[in-house]
Amino acid sequence: QKEVEQNSGPLSVPEGAIASLNCTYSDRGSQSFFWYRQYSGKSPELIMSIYSNGDKEDGRFTAQLNKASQYVSLLIRDSQPSDSATYLCAVNSNTGGFKTIFGAGTRLFVKA
Amino acid sequence: DTGVSQNPRHKITKRGQNVTFRCDPISEHNRLYWYRQTLGQGPEFLTYFQNEAQLEKSRLLSDRFSAERPKGSFSTLEIQRTEQGDSAMYLCASSPPDRSSGNTIYFGEGSWLTVV
Repeated sequence: QKEVEQNSGPLSVPEGAIASLNCTYSDRGSQSFFWYRQYSGKSPELIMSIYSNGDKEDGRFTAQLNKASQYVSLLIRDSQPSDSATYLCAVNSNTGGFKTIFGAGTRLFVKA
Repeated sequence: DTGVSQNPRHKITKRGQNVTFRCDPISEHNRLYWYRQTLGQGPEFLTYFQNEAQLEKSRLLSDRFSAERPKGSFSTLEIQRTEQGDSAMYLCASSPPDRSSGNTIYFGEGSWLTVV
């Protein structure tokens, strides 16, 4: 079992729709959760972090965390073509020291 | 604050040669990470330092790979006797000492290695 699992996609949504990206993780000791966006040929950039169960909103982005289900998600509202990228879920575990583990990423295409 | 800096950005080398990448972290960050990323995959953890101490190395890091952070500032990643399978983007990241950020890591622009 991979430590952080994501559907590789591609996920295709029309412009203006909500894109929903999901991630599961295996280490119950995980404490910090992150979403990064990566454009083709570029390095990952941080979008959001979440540490507590529930929702966290930042502009058009909402991260959701359910530690009991070991599940993290990212919602992108009013999706724009510029949101087309690979979205990486990342998890940091206290039991793993300060090591952050990444999923393989989900490719998102927003169609104009 | 100029962010995490990596160089060279691109390196083409012949199989069997040695290559070295350098990373300068964000100035107040005490932890520094190296990741490797190949096409279609997420960043794969290689190693990390807290100040000058190398605290963890992935078992994926063969003995051809070595990383240093001699004074707790910049770091180097050396690959000896490169193989074609080493072709990848090598990402450096750093994180601040304050754990209230949840150990958020910030990436540099990456160093692309092509082994021919």
